Amino acid sequence: EIVLTQSPGTLSLSPGERATLSCRASQSIRSTYLAWYQQKPGQAPRLLIYDASSRATGIPDRFSGSGSGTDFTLTISGLEPEDVAVYYCQQYYKSPLGFGGGTKVAIK
Amino acid sequence: QVHLVESGGGVVQPGRSLRLSCAASGFNFSTNAMHWVRQAPGKGLEWVAVLSSDGSNKHYTDSVKGRFTISRDNAKNTVFLQMNSLGAEDTAVYYCARDYNGLGYWGQGTLVTVSS
Repeated sequence: EIVLTQSPGTLSLSPGERATLSCRASQSIRSTYLAWYQQKPGQAPRLLIYDASSRATGIPDRFSGSGSGTDFTLTISGLEPEDVAVYYCQQYYKSPLGFGGGTKVAIK
Repeated sequence: QVHLVESGGGVVQPGRSLRLSCAASGFNFSTNAMHWVRQAPGKGLEWVAVLSSDGSNKHYTDSVKGRFTISRDNAKNTVFLQMNSLGAEDTAVYYCARDYNGLGYWGQGTLVTVSS
């Protein structure tokens, strides 16, 4: 089973600042089958990034993903108030598919 | 426009069963694998199960193996989750999701509460 560890647990930044979220896998995720999701309070998760670095339809270009192997990063360049949410990474390389524990992004 | 609508949630006593449904529209359902994901109150996301497009291949997270069964009816564009021997640890919002670039589309979820 591939275990995903996200850090930090909480990130508090001012509007316009850059947010860097980390996701580390316990073993290599081949073919970069890693996704990032955003979940706002009371809402279902929404796909942001797939295949580690491809933006989903309609996602603003301030969201970007990078990484390969065991280390992956979600970057929000220029944090906006509507970006307040919990962000999860997920691997879909092999079953059981798993999610990281999430990073909560807050605005100062 | 892709639309996923879950139903069948509610309050159920420990040890009892419940069957969730997810009605899909806006895409070619019979060519997509489908997932169930759950989220306990105040907790993170937990992947539960996946079923291949033709129903021949399925996988489950360890905690539900032998108790939950995922199935589908491609003629009715619906995926199901049969949940047996429910316990308090199964209390969660259950989401269905379309397998597309990861889990590309999600329903709004249905709440299952296991309580006596």
